[in-house]
Amino acid sequence: DAGVTQSPTHLIKTRGQQVTLRCSPISGHKSVSWYQQVLGQGPQFIFQYYEKEERGRGNFPDRFSARQFPNYSSELNVNALLLGDSALYLCASSFPGTGEETQYFGPGTRLLVL
Amino acid sequence: AQSVTQLDSQVPVFEEAPVELRCNYSSSVSVYLFWYVQYPNQGLQLLLKYLSGSTLVKGINGFEAEFNKSQTSFHLRKPSVHISDTAEYFCAVKKNTGFQKLVFGTGTRLLVSP
Repeated sequence: DAGVTQSPTHLIKTRGQQVTLRCSPISGHKSVSWYQQVLGQGPQFIFQYYEKEERGRGNFPDRFSARQFPNYSSELNVNALLLGDSALYLCASSFPGTGEETQYFGPGTRLLVL
Repeated sequence: AQSVTQLDSQVPVFEEAPVELRCNYSSSVSVYLFWYVQYPNQGLQLLLKYLSGSTLVKGINGFEAEFNKSQTSFHLRKPSVHISDTAEYFCAVKKNTGFQKLVFGTGTRLLVSP
C-alpha cells in the first residue's frame, strides 16, 4: 500500500507570495495533520483535520490555513510568506477510532522563502 | 500541556557499539509515547510506540525502548548499531484522550562511525 504522499517535494517562493501544499493520506485513513519542521528543531503542530472538520490548531498565525476534501486529501495554504516560513512541512495521516491514532508521516515539502 | 526533553543533541558512537538515546516527558494526563527516525532529507518513520501494557517495547531495525512512569522517561536503545542508523531521532508524546496532537522533542542526532 502507498504511504502518505506530498507534493511538491521542493518549492522556492519570495516574501509576500502565497503557497499551497498538498497531501494524500494512506488509503483508509480519515485524519490528516500538518507539522512545520524548522531546520535543527522538532516538528511543530499546525493543524489536524478529520472528516473535513478542523480538530485542532497549533500556535500559528492566521496566514496559515488548511482544508480537507471528501477524499480525505488535504491542502495547507500559507499567505504573505515570511523568511521564517522556510521549513520542511510534514503531513501525517491516521485512522481515528482505533484509540491510539498512530500518525504516519509523508516525505515532506521543503519550502524556501527568499 | 505536554512537553518532551531530549537531553542529548548529538550522540557519537562506533559501529557495533550499544547506544541509548534519552527522552523525558512531562504531562498531567496519561500519554502515548513514540520514537520516530528521520534520515537525511526525508520525512519521519515510526520506530516504535508505547500505548499500554508491557513497559519494554520493541520496534523496527533492532531498536527497543522502555517506559518508566516514575521517572517519566522513554529511553531508546539498540545493542549494536550500524552505519545505516546514522539519522535524527525524535521522541514524541500524545495524550491518550480527546483531541490528539504529537508533541516532539528537539531531536538527537546519532552519528555512527566505523
